[in-house]
Amino acid sequence: AQSVTQPDIHITVSEGASLELRCNYSYGATPYLFWYVQSPGQGLQLLLKYFSGDTLVQGIKGFEAEFKRSQSSFNLRKPSVHWSDAAEYFCAVGAGAAGNKLTFGGGTRVLVKP
Amino acid sequence: ETGVTQTPRHLVMGMTNKKSLKCEQHLGHNAMYWYKQSAKKPLELMFVYSLEERVENNSVPSRFSPECPNSSHLFLHLHTLQPEDSALYLCASSQEAGTSGPEETQYFGPGTRLLVL
Repeated sequence: AQSVTQPDIHITVSEGASLELRCNYSYGATPYLFWYVQSPGQGLQLLLKYFSGDTLVQGIKGFEAEFKRSQSSFNLRKPSVHWSDAAEYFCAVGAGAAGNKLTFGGGTRVLVKP
Repeated sequence: ETGVTQTPRHLVMGMTNKKSLKCEQHLGHNAMYWYKQSAKKPLELMFVYSLEERVENNSVPSRFSPECPNSSHLFLHLHTLQPEDSALYLCASSQEAGTSGPEETQYFGPGTRLLVL
């Protein structure tokens, strides 16, 4: 069975600084990987996804993520954060089998300091 | 309306009540999902429907009863819930399910915040 680990429960970053959120997965085959963002009281919004091809994936809101098979990682990055980026971020891996089971990590809450 | 909508957004119910959560997707998708998001726990997949047939039931107690009358609508009927069922219930949809491709990307609604007293 697949699993996802987000080692950082909370991250505090200053506005304008860079941000990197870590995600490690465990899955036997080629994974499908996703990053979602959840603002307080809201549902999950898809930031980006990786299925195949270029291992550096561009997403919305200036985010990007890099798939590194050798490290079983899919870290999310943004060069310069904005106050509106304060939210909880979830990494997920899709099994791709019938039923499309998405397994989510525990999430990383990002706080942005002015 | 665009995307995935859920009603109500907030719900308070007693343990003996019966209520239903509604999800509607306006994306022309064929698969729909229910998730439970509890405090301090990862999102848990509850049910998956593909072309109105249930294809996944993730060991969910029978006090939760899903219904998918057509590919655009998904309900979650609730009865005799427990306080530990209080959570954010999220609905999602995808173009397909079980095809192992980008069409399985899931899009989420805003959720229903449920409080069981």
